[in-house]
Amino acid sequence: DQQVKQNSPSLSVQEGRISILNCDYTNSMFDYFLWYKKYPAEGPTFLISISSIKDKNEDGRFTVFLNKSAKHLSLHIVPSQPGDSAVYFCAARGSQGNLIFGKGTKLSVKP
Amino acid sequence: KAGVTQTPRYLIKTRGQQVTLSCSPISGHRSVSWYQQTPGQGLQFLFEYFSETQRNKGNFPGRFSGRQFSNSRSEMNVSTLELGDSALYLCASSLIMTALYGYTFGSGTRLTVV
Repeated sequence: DQQVKQNSPSLSVQEGRISILNCDYTNSMFDYFLWYKKYPAEGPTFLISISSIKDKNEDGRFTVFLNKSAKHLSLHIVPSQPGDSAVYFCAARGSQGNLIFGKGTKLSVKP
Repeated sequence: KAGVTQTPRYLIKTRGQQVTLSCSPISGHRSVSWYQQTPGQGLQFLFEYFSETQRNKGNFPGRFSGRQFSNSRSEMNVSTLELGDSALYLCASSLIMTALYGYTFGSGTRLTVV
């Protein structure tokens, strides 16, 4: 059973608007969550993270929100830029310390 | 500084064969993790090595194995290849085990099994 779910395989947004990528998880014991961005033919690169003791973390145009009661987190990108077009992976730290990834959401930002 | 280097970038193998993939971590990084990426399953954890010892292992059959050398370089081996092993294999390195934002991924090795 998938422990980290990204239910939207793709998202299309206009340049300058907000992009909201969503992620749900099933295990309430997860203590750390991360977002990675991946371009074709490259490995994932770390974007932003959040500890389970927080509900928001911000880094420039990127903000991650965590709702523990709903087991839901989201990544907001404001304003969206064409260079943000990539596949975004949500991940949670598992009990063994490994990362458990969602299947990714492909974001397309149109000029 | 040089990033995580994975070789080869592309590989085509026949079903039943075995394959070895290589990963050179960032200089000074002692932890190396391996992940498999497929369209259907996304990124799945294979194993993590630290100081030449396997510390964590994901839910993959015994055909998947790995090792780490004293210089932290790591190899991953898959024996008796199956068509379903076709995937992008990613290596990630970090200074310490179970690192969070310290993971740096390589560009991966694209394995195709025919």
